[in-house]
Amino acid sequence: DIQMTQSPSTLSASVGDRVTITCRASQSVNSWLAWYQQKPGNAPKLLIYQASSLESGVPSRFSGSVSGTEFTLTISSLQPQDFATYYCQQYSYYPLTFGGGTKVEIK
Amino acid sequence: EVQLVQSGAEVKKPGESLRISCQGSGYSFTNYWIAWVRQMPGKGLEWMGRIDPSESKTKYSPSFQGHVTISADRSINTAYLQWSSLQASDTAMYYCARSLGGFSTGYHFDHWGQGNLVTVSS
Repeated sequence: DIQMTQSPSTLSASVGDRVTITCRASQSVNSWLAWYQQKPGNAPKLLIYQASSLESGVPSRFSGSVSGTEFTLTISSLQPQDFATYYCQQYSYYPLTFGGGTKVEIK
Repeated sequence: EVQLVQSGAEVKKPGESLRISCQGSGYSFTNYWIAWVRQMPGKGLEWMGRIDPSESKTKYSPSFQGHVTISADRSINTAYLQWSSLQASDTAMYYCARSLGGFSTGYHFDHWGQGNLVTVSS
């Protein structure tokens, strides 16, 4: 199985901060990677697909990038509604696998 | 509007069987695959498997193969996740999610159901 290693597992930040979350794949998944946001009691929501494509309706402060097997989700200016848990997911190989999650907390 | 509506919360005893459902609306049901994703209490997301409703072809994660069955009834735009004998360790939230097919593993999950909480306790 392809392992997706997310870091950090928890991140404390303030409104207005620039936030970066990293996801490293154990082998190449090309650009077949998505990022999801999950708030407590809710289903995950797609933010980014194919490593850097912004899902329709998602604010432009969210962006994704890739360098080799390292993927990055950036929130350019953290808003109150962005405090949540974020997951990466590869869909290049079976079984599809998720990262362990990054919880973004209020500092 | 695309919607995936899941059946309600379930409380079961170990050894009992269960089938939960996910009904799609607002799109052509057979044009998208349906996956099932488990989230154990306080934990992350795990892909269990998926079905292509147009052909009822399935693919399972080795971690779940043989323990669950995924099926679909395209006449009522509904996918199912089924257990024949539940265990306490099956206690979790279960989400369905849709993705485009088109290549071997499909694409990202662009819509998700609201989740089914399954509690297995004696």
